[in-house]
Amino acid sequence: DIQMTQSPSSLSASVGDRVTITCQASQDIDNHLHWYQQKPGKAPKLLIYDAFNLKTGVPSRFSGSGSGKDYTFTISSLQPEDLATYYCQQYDYLPLTFGGGTKVEIK
Amino acid sequence: EVQLVESGGALVKPGGSLRLSCAASGFSFSTYAMNWVRQAPGKGLEWVSSISRSGTFIYYPDSLKGRFTISRDNAKNSLYLQMNSLGADDTAVYFCARVLSGYGDYGPLDSWGQGTLVTVSS
Repeated sequence: DIQMTQSPSSLSASVGDRVTITCQASQDIDNHLHWYQQKPGKAPKLLIYDAFNLKTGVPSRFSGSGSGKDYTFTISSLQPEDLATYYCQQYDYLPLTFGGGTKVEIK
Repeated sequence: EVQLVESGGALVKPGGSLRLSCAASGFSFSTYAMNWVRQAPGKGLEWVSSISRSGTFIYYPDSLKGRFTISRDNAKNSLYLQMNSLGADDTAVYFCARVLSGYGDYGPLDSWGQGTLVTVSS
């Protein structure tokens, strides 16, 4: 199975800060990586697919980059409504696997 | 508006069985692959199963093969998950999720239901 190592597991930042989350796969996943946001008590929402494609309707402050084994998710200017846990997920090989999540808190 | 509504979650004893349902509306259900994903209390997301548009192709992680069965009824716009020989580590919220149009059977999951809670306990 492909292991997805996500870091940090949690972070605290101020409104307006730039926030970066990384996800490292145990092998090359050829940009077959998505990012999801899960707010407390809610279902996950797709934000970024195939490493850098922003889902329609998602604010442009969210972005993704990377290649090979290493991927980055960025919030360019943190907003209060971004309080959530963020997950990466690979679909290059079955079984589909998720990162452990990054809990983003607002200072 | 796309809607996915799961049901069937319950308290079940170890070794028991349960069938979850997911009712879809607001889109052409038969043209989308579907998935189940679960989340144990306070834990991360875990993929459970995928099924192709027609139901011909089905996928599971090795850890769940033989116990869980995904199926769909396109005439009823419904997705199902039959779960057998349940154990405590199957306790989770189970989400159904739709695969983004234009992708295969297990692409990006662009719409999710609110989830249904399965608790396995004596």
